Amino acid sequence: GQNIDQPTEMTATEGAIVQINCTYQTSGFNGLFWYQQHAGEAPTFLSYNVLDGLEEKGRFSSFLSRSKGYSYLLLKELQMKDSASYLCAVRPISSGSARQLTFGSGTQLTVLP
Amino acid sequence: DVKVTQSSRYLVKRTGEKVFLECVQDMDHENMFWYRQDPGLGLRLIYFSYDVKMKEKGDIPEGYSVSREKKERFSLILESASTNQTSMYLCASSLNEKLFFGSGTQLSVL
Repeated sequence: GQNIDQPTEMTATEGAIVQINCTYQTSGFNGLFWYQQHAGEAPTFLSYNVLDGLEEKGRFSSFLSRSKGYSYLLLKELQMKDSASYLCAVRPISSGSARQLTFGSGTQLTVLP
Repeated sequence: DVKVTQSSRYLVKRTGEKVFLECVQDMDHENMFWYRQDPGLGLRLIYFSYDVKMKEKGDIPEGYSVSREKKERFSLILESASTNQTSMYLCASSLNEKLFFGSGTQLSVL
């Protein structure tokens, strides 16, 4: 089975840096995803890691360590519009599910002025 | 831009009613998915489809069925709605790794 853990809530200040952690235990691994979801809206894709290391995309970076079952999403120069829920999702490898994702419960980030 | 459209934003139904949730995507994606999202539980996969007339159960298929008669349309059916099916329902389509979600249907079963 799959188990994905991430903090329920985080708070940070505008202009600061915040790191949202995600740990996972899966039967096989074929990629880790981060999605952003603003209140009342659909989740939108942020990043995808399949190999170990850091992937940087503007103010957002995502890190993966497969041996530790660990990922983090790093948000720099926080803006008020970054207040949202951040969803960690893992794509396991198992029969008939190569393209499914299993989602964590999400981390609600609040950015304060 | 990919557009995934869900027919209703809010829906109120009564226990025992048959409910249809419709989803249409305009990018010719082969893969389509139905999730439900509940506070503290995250997104959970109900059913998915890799091709027309093809469907596979996700993690929580009980009480649901699906239909994919055309590539662009994936319907979720609640045969006899129950109060524990009150939830936000999200449809998604994908080509390779990235999922594109619709805006969701908030279903309330009274």
